[in-house]
Amino acid sequence: DAGVIQSPRHEVTEMGQEVTLRCKPISGHDYLFWYRQTMMRGLELLIYFNNNVPIDDSGMPEDRFSAKMPNASFSTLKIQPSEPRDSAVYFCASSPRLAGGLPRPFFGPGTRLTVL
Amino acid sequence: DAKTTQPNSMESNEEEPVHLPCNHSTISGTDYIHWYRQLPSQGPEYVIHGLTSNVNNRMASLAIAEDRKSSTLILHRATLRDAAVYYCILRDEDISAGNMLTFGGGTRLMVKP
Repeated sequence: DAGVIQSPRHEVTEMGQEVTLRCKPISGHDYLFWYRQTMMRGLELLIYFNNNVPIDDSGMPEDRFSAKMPNASFSTLKIQPSEPRDSAVYFCASSPRLAGGLPRPFFGPGTRLTVL
Repeated sequence: DAKTTQPNSMESNEEEPVHLPCNHSTISGTDYIHWYRQLPSQGPEYVIHGLTSNVNNRMASLAIAEDRKSSTLILHRATLRDAAVYYCILRDEDISAGNMLTFGGGTRLMVKP
C-alpha cells in the first residue's frame, strides 16, 4: 500500500496567489483529514470528511481556505488568496471506519508551503 | 478533550529503555489515552492506545496509573530511529461526541549513540 499521497511536497508562491494542495487517501478509508502544522500553533485540525462529505470545518482559519472531496480517492485544500502567515506544513490523513471506535488517522508526508 | 502535560524534551542513550511520561489529571472515565509520534520531516504515526489496563504492541508499551491521572510510554530499547516528537492525546471514544485527535506540544526525544 502506497499510503496517503500528497502533492506537491513543496510549494513556494507569492502572496496573493492561489495555492492548491492535493491528497489521495488510502484506498478503502472512509475518513479524510486536513491538518496544518506551524512552530507557533503546532498541529491543528482544519477539516475532516466522512464518505466524501465535510463533517467539521470549524478549524478552517478563514474564508480564504476551502476544501473539497469530489470522490473517495481525491481531496484538495485551496487557499485563495494566499498570505505569508499561511506558510506551514499541511498534512492530509485518512482513516478506515473502526468498529466501535473513532477513526485513527494515517498521515501523509505533508506539503511544505512557503508564501513569500 | 482533557489536557495533557508532557516534558518538552528528553534524552536517551541508544539501546536503553525510555520512559516518556504524560500527566492527565482531568481525564474523564471515557477518555482513551493515545500516543502518536512524529519522525523528522514526516507526518505523525500511531504508536499505541489504552483505557485502563497496560498495553503492549510491537512498537512500545503503555503503562497507565491506577487512578488514570498519568501514563508512561515505554520504548524498551531506544534506537536512533526512535528520535521523534511523542504526543500523548486524550480522546473520548464515544462516537457521538465526534472527537477527533487534538495534538499538544509533545515531548521531543533525542537518542544518543
